[in-house]
Amino acid sequence: EAGVVQSPRYKIIEKKQPVAFWCNPISGHNTLYWYLQNLGQGPELLIRYENEEAVDDSQLPKDRFSAERLKGVDSTLKIQPAELGDSAVYLCASRSGNTGELFFGEGSRLTVL
Amino acid sequence: AQKVTQAQTEISVVEKEDVTLDCVYETRDTTYYLFWYKQPPSGELVFLIRRNSFDEQNEISGRYSWNFQKSTSSFNFTITASQVVDSAVYFCALSEGDTGGFKTIFGAGTRLFVKA
Repeated sequence: EAGVVQSPRYKIIEKKQPVAFWCNPISGHNTLYWYLQNLGQGPELLIRYENEEAVDDSQLPKDRFSAERLKGVDSTLKIQPAELGDSAVYLCASRSGNTGELFFGEGSRLTVL
Repeated sequence: AQKVTQAQTEISVVEKEDVTLDCVYETRDTTYYLFWYKQPPSGELVFLIRRNSFDEQNEISGRYSWNFQKSTSSFNFTITASQVVDSAVYFCALSEGDTGGFKTIFGAGTRLFVKA
């Protein structure tokens, strides 16, 4: 069974440029998460989807961040425009139902210059 | 509000030593789930264990064991006879069931160095 797939693995951009990350969860997993992980810290939730509905986006900085999961399968997280402080690893995770463990992708490491 | 505290930022041990990673949590829910994840240098978080709030039985899996105590809101993780391959960052996580919408939050992590 394929795991959670994320791309790109690494991205280097200049500040004020846009960037997008893509995530394909494990087949059949209805719940999808985007987390932000700064160096030396734990993952922080950005947004959670149940199928195509964003059920928790309270931590998403909506002035520059957006996300979509149009068909309830794969998802895209976008930053426009990127700022220096956005440099971090963006993690995608999925799970089946509400109570199981999260399965994580390898993450997308963003460097903003 | 839910919160997970891992007070140990870094721990360094010599191979074959036992080591315990502490985790203290806060929640107002009666139904919740606790997790431990391992993040090796490659970066991908790997699930180790899940415990629900109604099951305080301790668990052992090989060299790993977990001690869940509701009275002290702790869910500690012990590695027996540590090995170099255990070197990683370990995260404790909490998912609330009643009011938290099963949002999963993580502690700041404990970085474990196991020296040969």
